[in-house]
Amino acid sequence: DAGVIQSPRHEVTEMGQEVTLRCKPISGHNSLFWYRQTMMRGLELLIYFNNNVPIDDSGMPEDRFSAKMPNASFSTLKIQPSEPRDSAVYFCASSTGERSTNEKLFFGSGTQLSVL
Amino acid sequence: AQSVSQHNHHVILSEAASLELGCNYSYGGTVNLFWYVQYPGQHLQLLLKYFSGDPLVKGIKGFEAEFIKSKFSFNLRKPSVQWSDTAEYFCAVTSGTYKYIFGTGTRLKVLA
Repeated sequence: DAGVIQSPRHEVTEMGQEVTLRCKPISGHNSLFWYRQTMMRGLELLIYFNNNVPIDDSGMPEDRFSAKMPNASFSTLKIQPSEPRDSAVYFCASSTGERSTNEKLFFGSGTQLSVL
Repeated sequence: AQSVSQHNHHVILSEAASLELGCNYSYGGTVNLFWYVQYPGQHLQLLLKYFSGDPLVKGIKGFEAEFIKSKFSFNLRKPSVQWSDTAEYFCAVTSGTYKYIFGTGTRLKVLA
């Protein structure tokens, strides 16, 4: 398996532009998570899905952020309009969603977002 | 709301020194606890985890962690660090849901 795949690896954009980050979870995983990593706040959970349904989006900073999971193999995180304070590394992670001792998160390589 | 606190944000050690990174969580129920590590230029990967049973958990690369329920703690330890342990370490908790809550991370730098 190729693991969790995120694209793009790097994104540089100007303030006000729309940004779309993409994630392909590991096949067979039922849970998908979007995290944001910054120096000040570490890893913040933005939203997570289970069986393609958003379960908890309380971590989404504001209405400029939205996430979708149209099917089990694809999710997007969109920022519109983007602002410089959105600059961070955005990670996608997936897990089986099982209540077992094998449960763990598998992370993608992240998208480094810079909003100028 | 659940939260995870990592008190040490930056730690600098010499090789062969002993390591202990603190992790405290706030949740009164049953928890699953994890330590993840992010080596420079790499994505996060699991170091060790606690679900139940023996509160002393051993992970990869000589790391271990002890779950002390009365203190709501899950501290990470290693008796003798190596230069290759330079990384950022994250403590995480889940509590019967799919939701993983991470601490702010501890950046460890090991001097050769």
